[in-house]
Amino acid sequence: DIVLTQSPGTLSLSPGERATLSCRASQSVSSNYLAWYQQKPGQTPRLLIYGASSRATGIPDRFSGSGSGTDFTLTISRLEPEDFAVYYCQQYASSPLNFGGGTKVEIK
Amino acid sequence: QVQLVQSGSELKEPGASVMVSCKASGYTFKNYAINWVRQAPGQGLEWMGWINTNTGNPTYVQGFTGRFVFSLDTSVSTTYLQISSLKAEDTAVYYCARSTTSGASDPWGQGTLVTVSS
Repeated sequence: DIVLTQSPGTLSLSPGERATLSCRASQSVSSNYLAWYQQKPGQTPRLLIYGASSRATGIPDRFSGSGSGTDFTLTISRLEPEDFAVYYCQQYASSPLNFGGGTKVEIK
Repeated sequence: QVQLVQSGSELKEPGASVMVSCKASGYTFKNYAINWVRQAPGQGLEWMGWINTNTGNPTYVQGFTGRFVFSLDTSVSTTYLQISSLKAEDTAVYYCARSTTSGASDPWGQGTLVTVSS
């Protein structure tokens, strides 16, 4: 099984700052089959990034994904008030399609 | 638009069964698999498995075998999750999510809270 480790667990930032979230896999994720989701309190997860770097439909360009192999990054270039949420990575290269433990981005 | 609408919250006693439905609209149902994901209170996302909406073949992750059953009714574009012999630790929000051509999950249903308590 591929285990995903997200860091940090919590990121305290101010609006307008840059957020950098990490997702590390226990083994290589083939074809960069890595997605990022955003979940706000009481809401459904929303797909942000798929294929490690492709933005899903309607996702603002301040969100970007990068990485390959075992190291992946989600970057939010300038945090907007609505971006404070929990972010999860998920690999869909091999079953089970595990999620990482999540990174909470909170207002500093 | 593409949408998944799930059934409402359930309160069940330990040992009972529950069925959660997930109705798809806005696309050809048989063309995309459906994933099921569990989120326990205050916890992260846990992938339970998926069902092939073309063949009806389910795949379960270890830990979700035996008491958990995925099924579907293509005539109403609906997928079901049945949980039997409910335990307190089954208390969670259960999400269905469409598997896209890329393999990622989008969109997600609104979630169904299942509470197991006597």
